[in-house]
Formats: sequence, structure tokens, C-alpha cells
Amino acid sequence: SQKIEQNSEALNIQEGKTATLTCNYTNYSPAYLQWYRQDPGRGPVFLLLIRENEKEKRKERLKVTFDTTLKQSLFHITASQPADSATYLCALVRGGYNKLIFGAGTRLAVHP
Amino acid sequence: GAGVSQTPSNKVTEKGKYVELRCDPISGHTALYWYRQSLGQGPEFLIYFQGTGAADDSGLPNDRFFAVRPEGSVSTLKIQRTERGDSAVYLCASSSIAGTDYNEQFFGPGTRLTVL
Repeated sequence: SQKIEQNSEALNIQEGKTATLTCNYTNYSPAYLQWYRQDPGRGPVFLLLIRENEKEKRKERLKVTFDTTLKQSLFHITASQPADSATYLCALVRGGYNKLIFGAGTRLAVHP
Repeated sequence: GAGVSQTPSNKVTEKGKYVELRCDPISGHTALYWYRQSLGQGPEFLIYFQGTGAADDSGLPNDRFFAVRPEGSVSTLKIQRTERGDSAVYLCASSSIAGTDYNEQFFGPGTRLTVL
């Protein structure tokens, strides 16, 4: 069956460190992958998109990698801040489709 | 420059009742999506509109769920004979698909539905 897995346990890190979140998928061939941030009581907010033919994408303190052989994406936040504390969702899009298929998300807590 | 809005923000109803949830997308966005999110889970796709028509309704769980978008902007998600298992946050998103495969979706704050 098709599955998207993200770290189910919360990730706790110290301010200033790099947070690394993992998204693994099976039985999909996504055209691209997106990362969203979700705060409690709010809808997800788009952060980054990476296409299947791209290895890495950066935006300010954020970096996403996409390995279609390993079927894995890594999401990095460098120089993390307490304001980065939130749930981070990865979502796949299959070619020719428009709907997002989300993982369950990983909760990140950055401690001062 | 308003974002996606959803009303009501909270809806409490009794089992067996009918509910309507409304979504106002970003002006000019042709694509509109409904998702459902249960506690501790990611959003789960329900239905996608391109303009006025439902291009993909494969995520609707059963025939108690129906959605419309009659004029290609506002959409209403309708749930008949609600069940306790329908309790969740219902999220709406919109996007501008302007001839590219870029598909950033802009989400509303959601409607929290509680079926007693």
C-alpha cells in the first residue's frame, strides 16, 4: 500500500542548532514534494517545493533534499529559533494530479 | 489581499443532522480543495474543483458528503446525516494554476466540526 511516513515523535532541539526532519514514502512516484508548516488551530502554510529532478532546494534558513532512489526527503532548518516550533508536514503530488497527499507531520520544539 | 476564509470556525451538531461548511478562496484562484484533518494526522484529501466542476472527488468517504462551487469561487461542503466519526477539522485550500505545474496551496484556518 502507499504510505508517507514522518517522524511520529516530537523533535526537541536547542536554539541555534540545525533541525532535520525526515519524510519517507513507499509505492509512490511523486512529481514533486512540498513542505508545509502548521501552527495549532491554523491551516498549513507552504514553505518549499522540490521537483523530482531536483536534488536540493534552499530558501533562507530552510533546505530540502529529495532522493527518489531512497524515496526520502529531508527538511533542514539551520540556526533554529523558538519561533520555528510548529508541526511540519510533507506532502506529495503525483504527476497529472493536483491533490496533496500528506504525511502525519512532525512536531518540532526549539528550546531557548 | 485577504486569504482563504472559512465559516463557521466551529460547528457543533448532533448525530444525524445536516451541516454546511463554507469556503471563500483567494480571489482569482481557479482551483479549490477540501481536506479533512483528524487529531494528530495530516490533512486528508476530499475533493478538488477546477472552476465550477469537481475534477477529482475520489476522497469523499461516502455519499453523505457532497460539495458544490456553482460560480467558480465560493464552495460549500455539505454533510448529511452526520456521524460522530465525521468530527474533524475541515480545511479548504485554493491555488492558482496558471499553466504551470506549480501547485502551492493556500489554506484557510479550517472549520472544526464536532458531532455529538
